[in-house]
Amino acid sequence: EVQLVESGGGLAQPGRSLRLSCTASGFTFGDFAMSWFRQAPGKGLEWVGFIRSKAYGGTTEYAASLRGRITISRDDSRSSAYVQLNSLKTEDTGVYYCTRLRGLGTYTFDYWGQGTLITVSS
Amino acid sequence: DIQMTQSPSSLSASVGDRVTITCRASQGIRSDLGWYQQKPGKAPKRLIYAASSLQSGVPSRFSGSGSGTDFTLTISSLQPEDFATYYCLQHNNYPYTFGQGTKLEIK
Repeated sequence: EVQLVESGGGLAQPGRSLRLSCTASGFTFGDFAMSWFRQAPGKGLEWVGFIRSKAYGGTTEYAASLRGRITISRDDSRSSAYVQLNSLKTEDTGVYYCTRLRGLGTYTFDYWGQGTLITVSS
Repeated sequence: DIQMTQSPSSLSASVGDRVTITCRASQGIRSDLGWYQQKPGKAPKRLIYAASSLQSGVPSRFSGSGSGTDFTLTISSLQPEDFATYYCLQHNNYPYTFGQGTKLEIK
């Protein structure tokens, strides 16, 4: 059974950094790109970025609004993906979800984690 | 960026009704679109991928159609568990973008 479990959320102060983790099971993690999305309280969904599989260079794409403050990484030996967000702002508050993707169809954002909540507040 | 215009933003309907939600892309996205259902406090759940393919395990009352710029999600006969918020998501071009969401409520 495919499972994605996010962790690392909590209360953080503006200007600080936070790293979230996504631990996967039930599939060959290294074969998939991993993506992050977020959702501010009461708002819609927003794509944050993703990291390709090592077969495709392990390179990243980020939402322009976050570029410069965000780093997505992966550790295939741990079946985990990470997102680090620096210089936190109150508008970064929300639930962060990880998903997987491979190709453009069957395996594109088919499974999502339960999400982890970041609250940025002083 | 590709803008996804989703309509309506909210919809009141009754059990048994047929419901249609649309998404229009600001430029052609082939069939690189999925539909997602989200209930309060839960992660999104994929219903449709590649614009018209039904996710395994999703009831057949859900269907998707369209390609290029115009897409439709149809629920043929609403069930009580279908009352939720629905989003379209394009993954043709970065940044990936969602429609604004459609909140489906019980009439």
